[in-house]
Amino acid sequence: GAGVSQSPSNKVTEKGKDVELRCDPISGHTALYWYRQSLGQGLEFLIYFQGNSAPDKSGLPSDRFSAERTGGSVSTLTIQRTQQEDSAVYLCASSLYGTQETQYFGPGTRLLVL
Amino acid sequence: DAKTTQPNSMESNEEEPVHLPCNHSTISGTDYIHWYRQLPSQGPEYVIHGLTSNVNNRMASLAIAEDRKSSTLILHRATLRDAAVYYCILRDDSSPLITTGNQFYFGTGTSLTVIP
Repeated sequence: GAGVSQSPSNKVTEKGKDVELRCDPISGHTALYWYRQSLGQGLEFLIYFQGNSAPDKSGLPSDRFSAERTGGSVSTLTIQRTQQEDSAVYLCASSLYGTQETQYFGPGTRLLVL
Repeated sequence: DAKTTQPNSMESNEEEPVHLPCNHSTISGTDYIHWYRQLPSQGPEYVIHGLTSNVNNRMASLAIAEDRKSSTLILHRATLRDAAVYYCILRDDSSPLITTGNQFYFGTGTSLTVIP
């Protein structure tokens, strides 16, 4: 079956612009996660959704970052007024039900802020 | 809070076994030990997980110390395609809604180089 998909695969933007990154989880997966990976670094947790609600937003680095999930499926991560330090690969993952289960990752969106 | 520590890098010769260590000295009784790996330019993928007993699957074996304070991922015959960053992670199994930050702590993992 289809895995987790993300779009766009690459995004180049100018400092100060807003960007939206999209994640389509595996059908039927209720848990969805966003991570960020800077060049040569490990994964940094951003936010976790259970259904449409986000019980854990602890990883969002600033109020410029927000995310939503609608219909218990697609999620959008929005970065407002992008900064150069936002440049990274943004990874989305989903799991069937909860946080103790295997996470299936998408290929990521490579964001470059000039 | 339970976290894991791994060596930054390891090397292995092709077709030889590889033992990737992970320390988790503050592991709790409900923490499962999960391993993921990330191939170059890809998202991480699940490898294996276990609680107390050693586990085997088609990709690897997981050996868990009796006190559960450490574990070792074993690749029986390394191939060039096994070159990746390997992450050891703890996941609390007591509730699917556990949201402590360490649930999602991947750290920097171990970068495995396979030498032809």
